[in-house]
Amino acid sequence: EVQLVESGGGLVKPGGSLRLSCAASGFTFSSYSMNWLRQAPGKGLEWVSSISSSSTHIYYADSVKGRFTISRDNAKNSLFLQMDSLRAEDTGVYYCVCAGPGYWGQGTLVTVSS
Amino acid sequence: QSALTQPPSASGSPGQSVTISCTGTSSDVGGYNYVSWYQHHPAKAPKLIIYEVNKRPSGVPDRFSGSKSGNTASLTVSGLQAEDEADYYCSSYAGSNHWVFGGGTHLTVL
Repeated sequence: EVQLVESGGGLVKPGGSLRLSCAASGFTFSSYSMNWLRQAPGKGLEWVSSISSSSTHIYYADSVKGRFTISRDNAKNSLFLQMDSLRAEDTGVYYCVCAGPGYWGQGTLVTVSS
Repeated sequence: QSALTQPPSASGSPGQSVTISCTGTSSDVGGYNYVSWYQHHPAKAPKLIIYEVNKRPSGVPDRFSGSKSGNTASLTVSGLQAEDEADYYCSSYAGSNHWVFGGGTHLTVL
């Protein structure tokens, strides 16, 4: 069974940091590019970042460029998102997504508030 | 601003058909037959309903169909049902192991 399980969300003050993790299982993680998407309360999904299978190609949305860092560990079937200098507008549910075969995690909630 | 453009909303009455568009460029939608569509109900993980432009995963009703013409992909929902009310998102392969996503369309069943 394919599983993507996000963790690491929580409440953080503006300017703070969080590190999200996504544990993958049930498919060949190292063969696929991976993405982080997020959904702010009452808003649509927003693509945040993506990383190619071998980490050669990395992309960020303009809204997070310079503050977020995506990475992966294929040996551990894991995807990460280091989020620094967090802002209130970063609040939302963050999803780990393998777009090729269409696998999504359940999401982890990040709340940035003082 | 999303890489793929979708209308923010669409609507139809039960039993009717509705089509949602997803417009990209020749570098993504127009360049590859790798367009996917997702259905997203609140508080649930998005669900894949169409892949490779027009293929349905097992268990997805044939009321859902996909197509593509040039740089625009489309999702058609026929025989609308109340449970079809949800947000729908498209995504497309864009080369270099990279996928792009649309901003989503909220489908209302009147």
